[in-house]
Amino acid sequence: NAGVTQTPKFQVLKTGQSMTLQCAQDMNHEYMSWYRQDPGMGLRLIHYSVGAGITDQGEVPNGYNVSRSTTEDFPLRLLSAAPSQTSVYFCASSPFLSDEQYFGPGTRLTVT
Amino acid sequence: GENVEQHPSTLSVQEGDSAVIKCTYSDSASNYFPWYKQELGKRPQLIIDIRSNVGEKKDQRIAVTLNKTAKHFSLHITETQPEDSAVYFCAASRVTGFQKLVFGTGTRLLVSP
Repeated sequence: NAGVTQTPKFQVLKTGQSMTLQCAQDMNHEYMSWYRQDPGMGLRLIHYSVGAGITDQGEVPNGYNVSRSTTEDFPLRLLSAAPSQTSVYFCASSPFLSDEQYFGPGTRLTVT
Repeated sequence: GENVEQHPSTLSVQEGDSAVIKCTYSDSASNYFPWYKQELGKRPQLIIDIRSNVGEKKDQRIAVTLNKTAKHFSLHITETQPEDSAVYFCAASRVTGFQKLVFGTGTRLLVSP
């Protein structure tokens, strides 16, 4: 199993551009989520999904959209990038009613 | 909502010493407390966790203690080794299906040979 994969690894955007961060898992996990990690602030939950077709907001959802059309994929969309969205983004997945979350390798995003 | 504070922000120890990292949480309904280790440039990985019906849990050189009354929990690493050097994050959540973790700000642990 590849586990949780994320693409791209690095991305530079200009303010106002849009892009999608990709996340996929091959473990048939029901739960998937997106976190951002900023220096000195730990990880913060952006959006999460408890199954295909079901998404909900986390702690810091503004400026981000998600959808989940399949169990495997959970893309994160930035509609109009802002410098405040410069961060490292981690996708995670976990089985139904399980405690442990399995993180992907991360995407480092810089918005200039 | 939940707020998790973590101390210290950096911790330097000599190889073989013990290290203790402390976290406090604000939501008395939180009942799940994991610890994640993140090596430089890598993804966070779960190293140990505890639920609120347990006061202490051990796994080889690492242990976690929980004081529900005071709303704090701690990570203890004994006989530290250079490979323990990493950033450690505590987190808290209510167990309601998906774990909506609220993370602390992290502790950078440096173990010197």
